[in-house]
Amino acid sequence: DAGITQSPRHKVTETGTPVTLRCHQTENHRYMYWYRQDPGHGLRLIHYSYGVKDTDKGEVSDGYSVSRSKTEDFLLTLESATSSQTSVYFCAIKVTSGNNEQFFGPGTRLTVL
Amino acid sequence: DQQVKQNSPSLSVQEGRISILNCDYTNSMFDYFLWYKKYPAEGPTFLISISSIKDKNEDGRFTVFLNKSAKHLSLHIVPSQPGDSAVYFCAAPNSGAGSYQLTFGKGTKLSVIP
Repeated sequence: DAGITQSPRHKVTETGTPVTLRCHQTENHRYMYWYRQDPGHGLRLIHYSYGVKDTDKGEVSDGYSVSRSKTEDFLLTLESATSSQTSVYFCAIKVTSGNNEQFFGPGTRLTVL
Repeated sequence: DQQVKQNSPSLSVQEGRISILNCDYTNSMFDYFLWYKKYPAEGPTFLISISSIKDKNEDGRFTVFLNKSAKHLSLHIVPSQPGDSAVYFCAAPNSGAGSYQLTFGKGTKLSVIP
């Protein structure tokens, strides 16, 4: 599982509240990614990081911000959650020695009421 | 504009038969393709990949075929087993500078019927 954990695994929140999801890896990989998975849309990239304090936007970054202050942690923040952000969120890492394979965490199911 | 397309949302196959999952792409710059398998309530897991310099890659019951002229790849599972029931995603790396981003198709849900 490439040593990836996500927390929380489930969260229910209300519209307008801030939410932070955490991705933690134990193997010091440089590249980390946040995706959301929605029915009919597959996996879509939200933000990614290529090192400590180095992040960039993905396909669906509006309404999300990220931070990476340590190699092992990549945080995804919804500043003011909306119902359209109800989704399953996956963190992934790219192993340093691999080709283009990414390895995924177990996911966080977020419900915004 | 969807660069990786999986046009079949679902597929049902009898146990023991062959499952064929299809994927089309539009970006001729893609030079590597990956298949992921996803069970409910779990993260996607890497299954098999193929480089554009090959037209076939095999790993046990799983074989991926690449037809570059048609911009088409397929995943064959032979023989299909009930444990293969999952959602399968096709993916390709974007050619962006050093980001190693993957573009995923929307997935095909495979149901293997015992």
